[in-house]
Amino acid sequence: AQSVAQPEDQVNVAEGNPLTVKCTYSVSGNPYLFWYVQYPNRGLQFLLKYITGDNLVKGSYGFEAEFNKSQTSFHLKKPSALVSDSALYFCAVRDSLSGNTPLVFGKGTRLSVIA
Amino acid sequence: DAEITQSPRHKITETGRQVTLACHQTWNHNNMFWYRQDLGHGLRLIHYSYGVQDTNKGEVSDGYSVSRSNTEDLPLTLESAASSQTSVYFCASSDSYGLDDTDTQYFGPGTRLTVL
Repeated sequence: AQSVAQPEDQVNVAEGNPLTVKCTYSVSGNPYLFWYVQYPNRGLQFLLKYITGDNLVKGSYGFEAEFNKSQTSFHLKKPSALVSDSALYFCAVRDSLSGNTPLVFGKGTRLSVIA
Repeated sequence: DAEITQSPRHKITETGRQVTLACHQTWNHNNMFWYRQDLGHGLRLIHYSYGVQDTNKGEVSDGYSVSRSNTEDLPLTLESAASSQTSVYFCASSDSYGLDDTDTQYFGPGTRLTVL
């Protein structure tokens, strides 16, 4: 079975400071990991994904995420937060051994960047 | 440009009525998904389809049905709307497994449904 957890409902950070949004996962095989962002009254937008290869994945809008197999984590990071980064962020996972099962999404973390 | 659209964007209905939410994608994706989003629950999968005539139940499928008669559309039907189905509904699509863009889902703008 596959699952994903986002341990923080809310993250607050000052503009210009680095930000981290946490995600941990549980799978039987290898994980396919994703980050999505949702702005108010919009659908989810794809940010980045890890399938295989380099543990540091770079995505849209200056975001990056680091895959850590030993800690089963895939935290989203950005070196310098912008007020416009304020949104709801979702982590998602699929197990390579799960066949054709869909992605499983976390409950989301609301990021507030304060000017 | 390819896109995924949902209609209506807002809907108010009464308990017991049948409601159909439309989802249309021009990505030519085989896979389509319906989710509901509620505070405290994140995104929960309702139904999904991996191709024409294929449908599968998700985590919260009771009271909902889908049918896939072509690649572009996956309408979601609430057979007899209940107040517990008041939510924001999102449709998504993705390419077939095994290709470069596998698993990346593209989401529609959502439908806000209120059941009174």
